[in-house]
Amino acid sequence: EVQLVQSGAEVKKPGESLKISCKGSGYRFTSYWIGWVRQMSGKGLEWMGIIYPGDSDTRYSPSFQGQVTISADKSISTAYLQWSSLRASDTAMYYCARLEWVGESNWFDPWGQGTLVTVSS
Amino acid sequence: QSALTQPASVSGSPGQSITISCTGTSSDVGSYNLVSWYQQYPGKAPKLMIYEGNKRPSGVSNRFSGSKSGNTASLTISGLQAEDEADYYCCSYAGSLWVFGGGTKLTVL
Repeated sequence: EVQLVQSGAEVKKPGESLKISCKGSGYRFTSYWIGWVRQMSGKGLEWMGIIYPGDSDTRYSPSFQGQVTISADKSISTAYLQWSSLRASDTAMYYCARLEWVGESNWFDPWGQGTLVTVSS
Repeated sequence: QSALTQPASVSGSPGQSITISCTGTSSDVGSYNLVSWYQQYPGKAPKLMIYEGNKRPSGVSNRFSGSKSGNTASLTISGLQAEDEADYYCCSYAGSLWVFGGGTKLTVL
């Protein structure tokens, strides 16, 4: 079974750093892009960026470029999303999702269970 | 890249059909037959319902269907059931990046 398992909820203070993870299993981790999606409370889904663990090719949404860093460690089939200095506005649920890309078609499936990040003083 | 435009809410009675629209531009929805649709229950992760515009993953009811015309994609749910009440999001590839719709809350009356 293809599965993405994310790290647990985090409570941080403004200015602190954070790295959350997304571990893939049941498939060849290096052969599929992994995307990250933000969902603020009561709001919609926002695409943040994506990484190809095979060669670490990474692309960011212009809205998140410079605000977060996406990385991956293919030796342990894990993708990461990190912040160097958190803000209260980073409080949200964060999802990772595998990108299935076939020919000219692509879609996100499956999704991780989500990691809730709370930033509060 | 702006979010794709979806109605904030739609509603229908059990057994009826509803359609959720997803309007983009010639740079995303209009350029690629790559719109996917996701269902999300409160407190749960999104679930893929439609990909490549009109294909259903294994296990998704054939009551769900997708289509596209120009810059607008649509999700139709026929034979509405109480379990269909959820939020629905469209997503389109836009050349090296992806964009989601704002989401539509479906209420089954």
